[in-house]
Amino acid sequence: EVQVEESGGGLVQPGGSLRLSCAASGFTFSDHYMDWVRQAPGKGLEWVGRTRNKANSYTTEYAASVKDRFTISRDDSKNSLYLQMTSLKTEDTAVYYCARVYCTKGVCPLDYWGQGTLVTVSP
Amino acid sequence: DIQLTQSPSFLSASVGDRVAITCRASQAISSALAWYQQKPGKAPKFLIYAASTLQSGVPSRFSGSGSGTEFTLTISSLQPEDFATYYCQQSYSYPVTFGGGTKVEIE
Repeated sequence: EVQVEESGGGLVQPGGSLRLSCAASGFTFSDHYMDWVRQAPGKGLEWVGRTRNKANSYTTEYAASVKDRFTISRDDSKNSLYLQMTSLKTEDTAVYYCARVYCTKGVCPLDYWGQGTLVTVSP
Repeated sequence: DIQLTQSPSFLSASVGDRVAITCRASQAISSALAWYQQKPGKAPKFLIYAASTLQSGVPSRFSGSGSGTEFTLTISSLQPEDFATYYCQQSYSYPVTFGGGTKVEIE
């Protein structure tokens, strides 16, 4: 059974840093791209960024709102995905989801999602 | 960036109704569109990809159509468990973007 589970959320002050983790199981993690998506309280879904797999040199893509502040990385030996967040702002407050990317037929939807971890940025 | 506009934002319907949700892209995205369902306090659930391909295990009352800039998610006969918020998402180009969501409520 495919599972992804986030951890590491919490309360952090503006300007602070936080590292989220996502543990994956039930599939060959190294084969897949992985995404982070967030959802501010009462709002819609916002894509944060993506890491490609080893075959694609682990390259990354980011939303403009987090570029240069957030860094996505992965450790295939641990089946784990990470999101390092720095210079946090109050508008970064959200539930952060880790999701597996399923590339097929030339499209790449997100087929499995974790339950999310809440990050609150507040003085 | 490709903007996705969903309509309506809210939809009130009854069990057994046929409902349709539209997603319009600000530029052509071929068939690179997916649909998700989200219930309160839960993670999104993947429903449809490539605009019209049903993910395994998703009930056949759900269907998707469209290509280019206009897409539709249709629920042929609304069931109690279908009351939720629905999002479209494009994977045609970066950044990946989501529509603003359509909340389907009980009438």
